[in-house]
Amino acid sequence: AQSVTQLDSQVPVFEEAPVELRCNYSSSVSVYLFWYVQYPNQGLQLLLKYLSGSTLVESINGFEAEFNKSQTSFHLRKPSVHISDTAEYFCAVSATQGGSEKLVFGKGTKLTVNP
Amino acid sequence: SQTIHQWPATLVQPVGSPLSLECTVEGTSNPNLYWYRQAAGRGLQLLFYSVGIGQISSEVPQNLSASRPQDRQFILSSKKLLLSDSGFYLCAWSQKWSGELFFGEGSRLTVL
Repeated sequence: AQSVTQLDSQVPVFEEAPVELRCNYSSSVSVYLFWYVQYPNQGLQLLLKYLSGSTLVESINGFEAEFNKSQTSFHLRKPSVHISDTAEYFCAVSATQGGSEKLVFGKGTKLTVNP
Repeated sequence: SQTIHQWPATLVQPVGSPLSLECTVEGTSNPNLYWYRQAAGRGLQLLFYSVGIGQISSEVPQNLSASRPQDRQFILSSKKLLLSDSGFYLCAWSQKWSGELFFGEGSRLTVL
């Protein structure tokens, strides 16, 4: 079985500061890794994903995450955040079994960007 | 393109009343379908998933049930709601083997 640990439940930062949201996972098999973002009272949206290939993946709005197999981590980073990045971020891991995929989520990190 | 619809968006129900939340997907066929519940500080808990019509897997023993009467329809039900059933319920779908989920907008259930 897979599990995900998001080490910080809340991360407050000032606008234009860098941010890192930490994610560690546990799995006995190869995994896919994801970051989802959730704005208040909405569903989740995929931010970025690692399936294979380059261990550094990027989103269209400046976030990036690096898959580190030896440290079983997939930390999310952004060099300069905006007020609009305020949201809750979820790290997730999946491993296929049979004909279904089950995505296991962390408990989320609330990012608050202050002016 | 694919879309997912989930309703109702909000629901306030008394304890002991029944529940039905519905989710439909358009623009794809034979998707995997999922129901998650989100509670504050607890992340997303997978409740049920389905790989095909009539095929339901339950992840957590609880007061809820799920059904998939059609290929792109997924229903979450309860015969008698409990206070602990309150939460934000999210339906999602994925293509086989992709590992990526697409979420609906969610249904907020308050049980009083």
